Amino acid sequence: EIVMTQSPATLSVYPGERATLSCRASQSVSSNLAWYQQKPGQAPRLLIYGAFTRATGVPARFSGSRSGTEFTLTISSLQSEDFAVYYCQQYSNWPPLTFGGGTKVEIK
Amino acid sequence: QLQLQESGPGLVKPSETLSLTCTVSGASTSSSDYYWGWIRQPPGKGLQWIGSIYYTGSTFYNPSLKSRVTVSVDTSKNQFSLKLGSVTAADTAVYYCARHPGGIAAALVNWGQGTLVTVSS
Repeated sequence: EIVMTQSPATLSVYPGERATLSCRASQSVSSNLAWYQQKPGQAPRLLIYGAFTRATGVPARFSGSRSGTEFTLTISSLQSEDFAVYYCQQYSNWPPLTFGGGTKVEIK
Repeated sequence: QLQLQESGPGLVKPSETLSLTCTVSGASTSSSDYYWGWIRQPPGKGLQWIGSIYYTGSTFYNPSLKSRVTVSVDTSKNQFSLKLGSVTAADTAVYYCARHPGGIAAALVNWGQGTLVTVSS
């Protein structure tokens, strides 16, 4: 099973600032990685797939990158609606599909 | 527009079987383009994939739950279902149904709103 590790667990950011979230895979997943945003009481929403590609309707301030088994989600200028929990998920080698433990982005 | 709606009992007794159904509208469970899956989230915790099914009936399960899980599809009703046996309090969670492509494209594109299932006597 591929283990996904996200850091930090909590990220405190001022509105308008840049947020950088990390996700590391225990082995190569190529670029078969997705990012999700989850707000309280809501289902997760797909933001990024294929490590880099924004899903339909996702603002351009969200971007994904990859370096080996390290993945990054960057939010260029945090808006009030971006404060949420973010999860990464690999789909390179499944079953099982596996998620990281999540990063909570909170207002500083 | 695609909609996924979970339904089923919100309370299940320990040792019994949890049963949920996901009703799909705006898409067909007999499509060859997608898989239909279940994911759960214990209160205050992260996401765990339970299993997925293809329209042919082929199933894929999380090894950690495989001995207790059955996912099935009823294309005539455009629904798919989850059964989880021998439940304990650790199975208390919000259960989501979702749609995803297969193979190396299996990002969970569409999600239901989720339903909370509590395991308690």
